[in-house]
Amino acid sequence: VQLQQSGPGLVKPSQTLSLTCVISGDSVSSHTAAWNWIRQSPSRGLEWLGRIYYRSKWYHDYAVSLKTRMTINPDTSKNHFSLQLSFVTPEDTAVYYCARETIGLTTKDFDYWGQGALVSVSS
Amino acid sequence: QTVVTQEPSLTVSPGGTVTLTCSDTTGEVTEGNYAHWIQHKPGQAPRTLIFSASNKHSWAPARFSGSLLGGKAALTVSRVQPEDEADYYCLLFYSATQVWVFGGGTKLTVL
Repeated sequence: VQLQQSGPGLVKPSQTLSLTCVISGDSVSSHTAAWNWIRQSPSRGLEWLGRIYYRSKWYHDYAVSLKTRMTINPDTSKNHFSLQLSFVTPEDTAVYYCARETIGLTTKDFDYWGQGALVSVSS
Repeated sequence: QTVVTQEPSLTVSPGGTVTLTCSDTTGEVTEGNYAHWIQHKPGQAPRTLIFSASNKHSWAPARFSGSLLGGKAALTVSRVQPEDEADYYCLLFYSATQVWVFGGGTKLTVL
């Protein structure tokens, strides 16, 4: 399994940050996985942003602090999922990671991580 | 919003043993929190060492072990090596709200 993030490295304040995570070796529609976004800013540690998963329909979960600004969507034709974060500020400057969460009967496991994509918010 | 707490920093001598802990504002970390321990070194992608409290990945050295102890999640590193110097993050799941929450991380120094 490989995950590769892509997106613009620079976004202006108040605009929308958009990132894509391309999945190799698994399917975004997998019934045993959830697909997560995590970030790390220069001044903060790791922060979980949200996830999507498919169980006969699509489910979305978002961090409480960001749910009004964030959308995660799947693209089954391209086997990827995307993150959109609106009305960004310099506080949203961070390295953004995507990660697979494998969900078993009694376990959950963040087993694969992308290499990360640095996004800077600046005018 | 639940807060997850870790020791901000710990120092250990090479060959020694150190235990990192992870607690939350509920006061009781359980198997239902599916605790993860994630190692993060500068310039590298994070790497999960322990998942669901005590399950270890094949890429995690044998000296790493996870447990639930006294209402907390714990990561014990035995026979510490210089390459274990890193930031270690605890990650907990909350089923009522279907969210994951990271702890603030522990900076482990091997000195």
